[in-house]
Amino acid sequence: DIVMTQSPDSLAVSLGERATINCKSSQTVLYSYNNKTYLAWYQQKPGQPPKLLIYWASSRQSGVPDRFRGSGSGTDFTLTISSLQAEDVAVYYCHQYFLPPYTFGQGTTLEIK
Amino acid sequence: QVQLQESGPGLVKPSETLSLTCNVSDDSINRYYWSWIRQSPGKGLEWIGNIFYSASPNYNPSLKGRVTISVDTSKNQVSLKLISVTAADTAVYYCARHWAKNYMDVWGNGTTVTVSS
Repeated sequence: DIVMTQSPDSLAVSLGERATINCKSSQTVLYSYNNKTYLAWYQQKPGQPPKLLIYWASSRQSGVPDRFRGSGSGTDFTLTISSLQAEDVAVYYCHQYFLPPYTFGQGTTLEIK
Repeated sequence: QVQLQESGPGLVKPSETLSLTCNVSDDSINRYYWSWIRQSPGKGLEWIGNIFYSASPNYNPSLKGRVTISVDTSKNQVSLKLISVTAADTAVYYCARHWAKNYMDVWGNGTTVTVSS
């Protein structure tokens, strides 16, 4: 199985400041045949299902604010929130859909400092 | 926007079978793959398996042959059965939609299942 490891486990950031969450996969999730990176980011708030933010490592889902940015390649990925808003308090997960069994990171809890 | 709604018993006894249904609100059930994912405090998000209406399902080997996923296109439903449950199967169970080898873009709200006598 591809193991997804996120860091940090929790993060406290001041409103308006930048938040950075990292994700590392145990093997590449880049498919060289089509040059696509099979990595997504989800946001989950209490009592809600995960919400898709980013797919193909850096494509923003429709309706997601542009302060959310995904980057990285190969095995190392980053989700950056450029200017933290109160509504961004949530748990964030990275997810690989390259090889089954599809796997998720353990989650990063983002709070307001 | 399609809506997914999971349903089933909230309480299952140990060693019995967990059976859940995911209702798909439109007629797209034969155009997408459908996955089941569960979330428990101890194991985070775990992909259980997926199915396309005209193909064999794929399962997570971690479930050791206990799981069956099926689709009923006439009812717009995807089903999950998990046999011989234990307390470790206590979780929120979600269904989600995706294309082949693709990200899950629509999720149901989830249904909580507790395994307890």
